[in-house]
Amino acid sequence: DGGITQSPKYLFRKEGQNVTLSCEQNLNHDAMYWYRQDPGQGLRLIYYSQIVNDFQKGDIAEGYSVSREKKESFPLTVTSAQKNPTAFYLCASSTDRGRNSPLHFGNGTRLTVT
Amino acid sequence: AQSVTQPDIHITVSEGASLELRCNYSYGATPYLFWYVQSPGQGLQLLLKYFSGDTLVQGIKGFEAEFKRSQSSFNLRKPSVHWSDAAEYFCAGGATNKLIFGTGTLLAVQP
Repeated sequence: DGGITQSPKYLFRKEGQNVTLSCEQNLNHDAMYWYRQDPGQGLRLIYYSQIVNDFQKGDIAEGYSVSREKKESFPLTVTSAQKNPTAFYLCASSTDRGRNSPLHFGNGTRLTVT
Repeated sequence: AQSVTQPDIHITVSEGASLELRCNYSYGATPYLFWYVQSPGQGLQLLLKYFSGDTLVQGIKGFEAEFKRSQSSFNLRKPSVHWSDAAEYFCAGGATNKLIFGTGTLLAVQP
């Protein structure tokens, strides 16, 4: 079955360390997205990519970085510059490059930084 | 500014009762509107979507939603709730690369 795989499901890091979250899709979707979810705040867009080797900042990109070297993969790095990194991170993809196609989500990675 | 509002943070219904979750949007033009459901610790699953045309939209799991332009609303409904419907529900609007999510409504189902 096609889908989006996020790994690991749980991630623990010490403050000051960079950490990379993995997102892989086998849906052959062009566009991929990273969202951050905090209790009571809904989902906020961090970065998105509509095509390989290109990506755009979302609403809360500060302290994060991404790459899109392959269509299937869109890893997110949470850097030490992110002031409040503990959160639930969701990766998504869509067929359409940013128009009206629905998002397909992975099962998320819960990051805890202490 | 464009916005999506879910006025109810938490709703409790009895199993078998009807359900309506509220969603209000603020857009200049007819928006693309979606409802997603999230089980604890999981990703979001699409329930239904509205782009244009018929204002009553049918989705999966027996859910439907009605787009009312005059009220700027896109409320989600289900005639008879099952215990497995307990989850968090998110309304979202806008183009895919600029999707705005509401803050969610947590649904509890009483036996």
